Amino acid sequence: AQTVTQSQPEMSVQEAETVTLSCTYDTSENNYYLFWYKQPPSRQMILVIRQEAYKQQNATENRFSVNFQKAAKSFSLKISDSQLGDTAMYFCAFDGRNNNDMRFGAGTRLTVKP
Amino acid sequence: DGGITQSPKYLFRKEGQNVTLSCEQNLNHDAMYWYRQDPGQGLRLIYYSQIVNDFQKGDIAEGYSVSREKKESFPLTVTSAQKNPTAFYLCASSARDRGFLAGGEQFFGPGTRLTVL
Repeated sequence: AQTVTQSQPEMSVQEAETVTLSCTYDTSENNYYLFWYKQPPSRQMILVIRQEAYKQQNATENRFSVNFQKAAKSFSLKISDSQLGDTAMYFCAFDGRNNNDMRFGAGTRLTVKP
Repeated sequence: DGGITQSPKYLFRKEGQNVTLSCEQNLNHDAMYWYRQDPGQGLRLIYYSQIVNDFQKGDIAEGYSVSREKKESFPLTVTSAQKNPTAFYLCASSARDRGFLAGGEQFFGPGTRLTVL
């Protein structure tokens, strides 16, 4: 079964600085999707960014970008110009062709400090 | 507006009672999911359904039951057999077709906080 590991339970960053959240996963599949979800204090899960494994180019959404290393099974999230509204739990997730469900990591609690 | 609704937002249950959490979506998604989230932890899958009248157990199905009589609805019942039901429950849906990776993104409802008194 696929597993997703987020090794940083908590992180903090100063406003306007850059922070990188780590995620590794384990799979024998070649085609799959990876996601980063954000869960702010409201607890509403929000999709931040999505990466398709067959695409070489790293996904980017405004201030959010990923570093996808397929061979290393690594999928880190970089947040540039951090804002106070970025304070949230961030979950890495894996969805493979052979799955019937999505696998989530344990999450990283990010605090952006003014 | 398309989306997923969950009700109620807060739910209190006495020990020994069954309670049902509602989840409705108007996104025309085939797949629906129920997750449990405990403090400081990730999401654990309780049940999922890929199609009407079919559902499968997830990692922590014991003490829970579901039904999928309509495409739009996937209610979760927390039974008295669930020993520690106090948690935050999230419902999600996706356009995933069975056997075909259709982007995979899951859309989430706002959640239900269940507390056992």
